[in-house]
Amino acid sequence: GDSVTQMEGPVTLSEEAFLTINCTYTATGYPSLFWYVQYPGEGLQLLLKATKADDKGSNKGFEATYRKETTSFHLEKGSVQVSDSAVYFCALYNQGGKLIFGQGTELSVKP
Amino acid sequence: ETGVTQSPTHLIKTRGQQVTLRCSSQSGHNTVSWYQQALGQGPQFIFQYYREEENGRGNFPPRFSGLQFPNYSSELNVNALELDDSALYLCASSLDFGGGRDTQYFGPGTRLTVL
Repeated sequence: GDSVTQMEGPVTLSEEAFLTINCTYTATGYPSLFWYVQYPGEGLQLLLKATKADDKGSNKGFEATYRKETTSFHLEKGSVQVSDSAVYFCALYNQGGKLIFGQGTELSVKP
Repeated sequence: ETGVTQSPTHLIKTRGQQVTLRCSSQSGHNTVSWYQQALGQGPQFIFQYYREEENGRGNFPPRFSGLQFPNYSSELNVNALELDDSALYLCASSLDFGGGRDTQYFGPGTRLTVL
């Protein structure tokens, strides 16, 4: 079945460092891909999305490109801030009404 | 525009009891999905409702049931609670024209603790 695999955390960075969180997927057909962010004690917020191969999603300085040839959707940000500390989830939507999530990657940014 | 809201925020129940969680979808949305998020895990799909009908179900037993109302709000009911049902329950709404591919927007969740 469809699945999403994320790099394990926690990831600890200093402020202004470059961020990459790896995400790869297994799916039939042409899924849509998403990154959601979850701050402590809160629900999920949509960060960005891409619906077809080679699309780049971007928001708040974060970017991810849908790479069908490598089945990947890695999240990047050029300069992280303390306020970016959260858990990041990669997800795909293929069929059946459901999002399939990775296990989440915790990011901690130190001043 | 009003976002997705859920109630209650927190809930404590004992094993064997029944619980009802509520969700109001974002204005203009017609589809509601429910997810269970255990501590330290990604959310797991429970089911989705579109136009008051179940439109997909994950690997959850029948004691997890739901409803969607004409105003597109929704309830999740769990009978015969078990300790493993302790989790954050997330509701997500979307505007779906039948293809089931629109972006889902999440509420803040209900934290259920089963003792």
